[in-house]
Amino acid sequence: ETGVTQTPRHLVMGMTNKKSLKCEQHLGHNAMYWYKQSAKKPLELMFVYSLEERVENNSVPSRFSPECPNSSHLFLHLHTLQPEDSALYLCASSQEGTGLSYEQYFGPGTRLTVT
Amino acid sequence: GQSLEQPSEVTAVEGAIVQINCTYQTSGFYGLSWYQQHDGGAPTFLSYNALDGLEETGRFSSFLSRSDSYGYLLLQELQMKDSASYFCAVSPFSSGSARQLTFGSGTQLTVLP
Repeated sequence: ETGVTQTPRHLVMGMTNKKSLKCEQHLGHNAMYWYKQSAKKPLELMFVYSLEERVENNSVPSRFSPECPNSSHLFLHLHTLQPEDSALYLCASSQEGTGLSYEQYFGPGTRLTVT
Repeated sequence: GQSLEQPSEVTAVEGAIVQINCTYQTSGFYGLSWYQQHDGGAPTFLSYNALDGLEETGRFSSFLSRSDSYGYLLLQELQMKDSASYFCAVSPFSSGSARQLTFGSGTQLTVLP
């Protein structure tokens, strides 16, 4: 595997379900991100982990819960979602400390549909 | 706060040159980035301007003018594969780090044969 991978690629869940999105980066980076991409809207930064510590939570509802067990893996735990949470969820990684943290490498995303 | 404005759609023909503008309202930022995203694909990094002026990378160039609150992405010798969405993004000083990207809504570029 190379780059940033995400599973599953597609997910349909009911509002009462609990599911998790998984992201893995094979680039040796030390920062990881979750973004939400809705149709016709800018990418929205949700969470940032740097050196496995959460350094940013952009007022995301508590029904989204991130987890970063190590520098290569990132999870987004989902529970009691709303239909407006349907979107493409993108994971990204970058290397901190080199001055290149603006250069982020994205995974293909998980297309989430909440019914 | 920060907001970035881009045209929603641009159409051009193969072989042509196209410029995608990005105007922003932000009190200060580390730099201006550009990303490309094909339908169903992941955004990929194209370029970064930390300083005013032109940065060239092959057929793509990016420009920044902080005094004019304006930047653009220039695509030359357009190819069909350049049909994609293009996003500008800034890293505001208020975020404390160049890693905190705020994105524009994107410009859908269609290249016609």
